[in-house]
Amino acid sequence: SQKIEQNSEALNIQEGKTATLTCNYTNYSPAYLQWYRQDPGRGPVFLLLIRENEKEKRKERLKVTFDTTLKQSLFHITASQPADSATYLCALLGATGTASKLTFGTGTRLQVTL
Amino acid sequence: DGGITQSPKYLFRKEGQNVTLSCEQNLNHDAMYWYRQDPGQGLRLIYYSQIVNDFQKGDIAEGYSVSREKKESFPLTVTSAQKNPTAFYLCASMAGRWNEQFFGPGTRLTVL
Repeated sequence: SQKIEQNSEALNIQEGKTATLTCNYTNYSPAYLQWYRQDPGRGPVFLLLIRENEKEKRKERLKVTFDTTLKQSLFHITASQPADSATYLCALLGATGTASKLTFGTGTRLQVTL
Repeated sequence: DGGITQSPKYLFRKEGQNVTLSCEQNLNHDAMYWYRQDPGQGLRLIYYSQIVNDFQKGDIAEGYSVSREKKESFPLTVTSAQKNPTAFYLCASMAGRWNEQFFGPGTRLTVL
């Protein structure tokens, strides 16, 4: 069956360090992968999209990699700040079919401490 | 100011009552979605609509119904047939297949 896995345990890191979150998937051939940030009690906010033919994407302090051989995406936040504390969700769009339908992982909570 | 609105933010209902959650967008997006989120879990797709007057079931459609009579609006009804309706409900819209989804602020439904 299709599965998207993110580390369910919270990631605790010190301010200034690089946070790395993982998204693994099985039985998918995704056209692309997206990352979202969700704060408690609020809707997710889009951060980055990376296509299947792209290896890496950057936006300010954010970097996403996409390895379709390993079936994995890594999401990096450099020089992390306490304001980066949130839950981060990855989402996949399947390559087959025409429906614009995303499947979301369960998310990883990031806690950045001083 | 473009965006998605959901109302109300908090909703309490008695068991056995149907309840309708509102979702409106002024982004001119064709596609709209309803998700359910339970504590510590990701988003699960309830229903989606890619165009007016058309919608499809998602992964957990049982006990829910939707309509899409206008491009801007995609209301979700939680019926009494939904066994465990207490959850955080999120509405989203999308411009097209290669775009991101925009989410509303969510409605937290509690069934007493």
